[in-house]
Amino acid sequence: AQSVTQPDIHITVSEGASLELRCNYSYGATPYLFWYVQSPGQGLQLLLKYFSGDTLVQGIKGFEAEFKRSQSSFNLRKPSVHWSDAAEYFCAVGAPGTASKLTFGTGTRLQVTL
Amino acid sequence: EADIYQTPRYLVIGTGKKITLECSQTMGHDKMYWYQQDPGMELHLIHYSYGVNSTEKGDLSSESTVSRIRTEHFPLTLESARPSHTSQYLCASSEPRAGDTEAFFGQGTRLTVV
Repeated sequence: AQSVTQPDIHITVSEGASLELRCNYSYGATPYLFWYVQSPGQGLQLLLKYFSGDTLVQGIKGFEAEFKRSQSSFNLRKPSVHWSDAAEYFCAVGAPGTASKLTFGTGTRLQVTL
Repeated sequence: EADIYQTPRYLVIGTGKKITLECSQTMGHDKMYWYQQDPGMELHLIHYSYGVNSTEKGDLSSESTVSRIRTEHFPLTLESARPSHTSQYLCASSEPRAGDTEAFFGQGTRLTVV
């Protein structure tokens, strides 16, 4: 069965500092990988996704993620964090070849200090 | 901007009451999903549908039921609410004919059973 691990429950960074959120997955085939962001009281917004090809993917709001098959990782990065980035971030893997039936990690709560 | 709507956004209800959480999407997507998210926890798939008159249970066992009589509508029902049902419920949809590359989420219903 597929699974997703986000080792960091809570991260605090200063505004303007760089950010990396970790995500490891367990999957038997080429995964479809996603990062979602959830602001308080809101639904999920897709930041970026990886299906195949270039292992460095660009997303919205200045985020990027790198797929590393050898490490089973799909870490999310941002060079310079803004206070508005404070939210919950979820990594997810989809059913084979689709965005269906997503399996989510436990999430990482990002706090940004001014 | 995704066109998927959930009502109500917040619901506080007494034990034993029957409730229905509404989810509608205007994108004509065939696939729809319900996820349950407990506070500070990951999301778990509880129901999904791949089209009209098609419903399946997800990875997490749930006492709720769903129906899919129309493509755009995927309501979730609890016949007798209990405090253990207190959670946030997120509805989502995706479209296989468009490559099924993204799941769109509603803003969620936060249910509290007292």
